[in-house]
Amino acid sequence: NAGVMQNPRHLVRRRGQEARLRCSPMKGHSHVYWYRQLPEEGLKFMVYLQKENIIDESGMPKERFSAEFPKEGPSILRIQQVVRGDSAAYFCASSQGGAQPQHFGDGTRLSIL
Amino acid sequence: EDQVTQSPEALRLQEGESSSLNCSYTVSGLRGLFWYRQDPGKGPEFLFTLYSAGEEKEKERLKATLTKKESFLHITAPKPEDSATYLCAVQKRQGGSEKLVFGKGTKLTVNP
Repeated sequence: NAGVMQNPRHLVRRRGQEARLRCSPMKGHSHVYWYRQLPEEGLKFMVYLQKENIIDESGMPKERFSAEFPKEGPSILRIQQVVRGDSAAYFCASSQGGAQPQHFGDGTRLSIL
Repeated sequence: EDQVTQSPEALRLQEGESSSLNCSYTVSGLRGLFWYRQDPGKGPEFLFTLYSAGEEKEKERLKATLTKKESFLHITAPKPEDSATYLCAVQKRQGGSEKLVFGKGTKLTVNP
């Protein structure tokens, strides 16, 4: 999965803390997507962004979760006041848009103590 | 509601034993169907995109086909290194939305 870079690979937080997950898309890709994978479940779409714009956030929980893709720098998925149920693998993908394939990073595994 | 169902959930093959994985989907207005391979602890790795019924794509021992209701991933003479979870996803033709809807995957194990 060279190209889409996610960090950190593993993140441990205590309940009530904030988690920040970062994603740098593949070179030449301006479309970024975040997905969440819970144990024994499939990948679930969360949000789709282009530079400085949120295009589709239909899969984002209404509270505590936010995402951004600034003009400069990586895309950030931010989870405030984390709870045990937020424990999951969070994957970022990027593409050239439309029906072009989305290429994934190796994810951030978030554990909540 | 858009749905993707993959079967079987798990499949064990002997090296060289060919088989097929199934992906059934219901979506109004398919823009594309995607196959990925995911190894433990890694992100999904893109394999194929299929856009219309009747289309076929091949890569080494893998061949993907598409009908109006399902897609098959055929694995010919598999090797142990083909062991992975294979994911199917659909993208709907809906305005600016580009989200993928994934199935739960088929976990393939190929024994030497």
